[in-house]
Amino acid sequence: KQEVTQIPAALSVPEGENLVLNCSFTDSAIYNLQWFRQDPGKGLTSLLLIQSSQREQTSGRLNASLDKSSGRSTLYIAASQPGDSATYLCAVPQTGANNLFFGTGTRLTVIP
Amino acid sequence: DTAVSQTPKYLVTQMGNDKSIKCEQNLGHDTMYWYKQDSKKFLKIMFSYNNKELIINETVPNRFSPKSPDKAHLNLHINSLELGDSAVYFCASSDRDQNTEAFFGQGTRLTVV
Repeated sequence: KQEVTQIPAALSVPEGENLVLNCSFTDSAIYNLQWFRQDPGKGLTSLLLIQSSQREQTSGRLNASLDKSSGRSTLYIAASQPGDSATYLCAVPQTGANNLFFGTGTRLTVIP
Repeated sequence: DTAVSQTPKYLVTQMGNDKSIKCEQNLGHDTMYWYKQDSKKFLKIMFSYNNKELIINETVPNRFSPKSPDKAHLNLHINSLELGDSAVYFCASSDRDQNTEAFFGQGTRLTVV
């Protein structure tokens, strides 16, 4: 059964720093991996979808990488801003189905 | 325009009551889902519907029943609510193609008292 882990569980950085969030998964037979952002009391906002055939995907200050063979993905945030403060979740599709397995999330705080 | 919308946003009810949460998507997706986020913020799939057919049910109690009148709507009915049902419930949608992005609603915070 797929298990998705995110480390660290929480992270505080000063504004302007570059940072990396980590996601690992146990079953490498995935079609894609999706990164989400969740603000307190809000829904999930899709940030990036990286296909299994891709190694990287970029959107603005965000860059996601995927290494299927090692079961890892990273989300790189450049020049962090206070508005980046949120919980970041990674998710992979269940094998043979469409629903997602979610990681436990990383709660990011960017200090002004 | 909201892509996936669910109502209500907050729902407070007493134990034993029956309640429904509605969800609509305007993305033209053919698959819709309900996820539950527990007090530890862990998200877990409850149901998914594709073309009005239930294709996944992750050991959810039969007090929970999804109902899809058409492919743009997937409502969640909960009978005989229990304290442990308190959680945030998220609706989502995607295409059946496994390489497509999933989009989520803003969540419904259910509190059973």
